[in-house]
Amino acid sequence: GAGVSQSPRYKVAKRGQDVALRCDPISGHVSLFWYQQALGQGPEFLTYFQNEAQLDKSGLPSDRFFAERPEGSVSTLKIQRTQQEDSAVYLCASSLSGTFYTDTQYFGPGTRLTVL
Amino acid sequence: GQQVMQIPQYQHVQEGEDFTTYCNSSTTLSNIQWYKQRPGGHPVFLIQLVKSGEVKKQKRLTFQFGEAKKNSSLHITATQTTDVGTYFCAGPENTGFQKLVFGTGTRLLVSP
Repeated sequence: GAGVSQSPRYKVAKRGQDVALRCDPISGHVSLFWYQQALGQGPEFLTYFQNEAQLDKSGLPSDRFFAERPEGSVSTLKIQRTQQEDSAVYLCASSLSGTFYTDTQYFGPGTRLTVL
Repeated sequence: GQQVMQIPQYQHVQEGEDFTTYCNSSTTLSNIQWYKQRPGGHPVFLIQLVKSGEVKKQKRLTFQFGEAKKNSSLHITATQTTDVGTYFCAGPENTGFQKLVFGTGTRLLVSP
C-alpha cells in the first residue's frame, strides 16, 4: 500500500476486556515499531520487529501486552485485561531497514484506545 | 535512560511571526529527526540531521544540529496557519536499531 495502515482507528473497551490492534506496514519494509502516545505526550517506544523476529520488547508496560508479526508483514498488538491507564493512541511505524541509523520511520494513523 | 526535552511546551503566535523550538538530549545523538503532528493526526517525518553543526532548510523551516550533537532547533520564519501542530524532535537510542526517543514536543498555535 501507499502507507502504513492501522485498524481499528478507534476502539472503546470495557475494563477487563482483551483488544487486538492491527498494523499493515509499507510493503517491503523490514522493520516495524509500536509506540504508545498518551494525550499531550510524545510517542513512547513499545516494541520492535525485524521481519518476524521481535528483537526488543523492553517498552511493553506489562505482561498484559503482547505483540506478534508471524509472517514478517502484518503485526498485531494485543492487550489483555485492559485497564484505564492503557487508554492512549497506539502508533505503528515501519522503515525499510531499521538498522541503518539514517532510516526514516513512517507512521500509521494510529488506533485510539479508550478503556472505560 | 536517554531523555529528550523540548522548550517551550506551547507557543501561540500571530500569523507572520517567527517561531523556534529547542530540543536537548541527555546523551550524544547519532542523528536527530524532526516530526510534525497535526491535531488528531500522526507524526509525519520532516527531516533528519546527521552531522555536527549541520543546518538544513525546507522553505520557511530551518533545522540545526548542535556542535556537540546533543541539541537541535527548528525555526519557522513567517508562520502560517498551516504550521499549526506539535513539533517533536527524536533521537535514536544506541541499541543497534532505530529505537526513537521522542522529545516532549512543542505545540504551536497560529492565529490569523
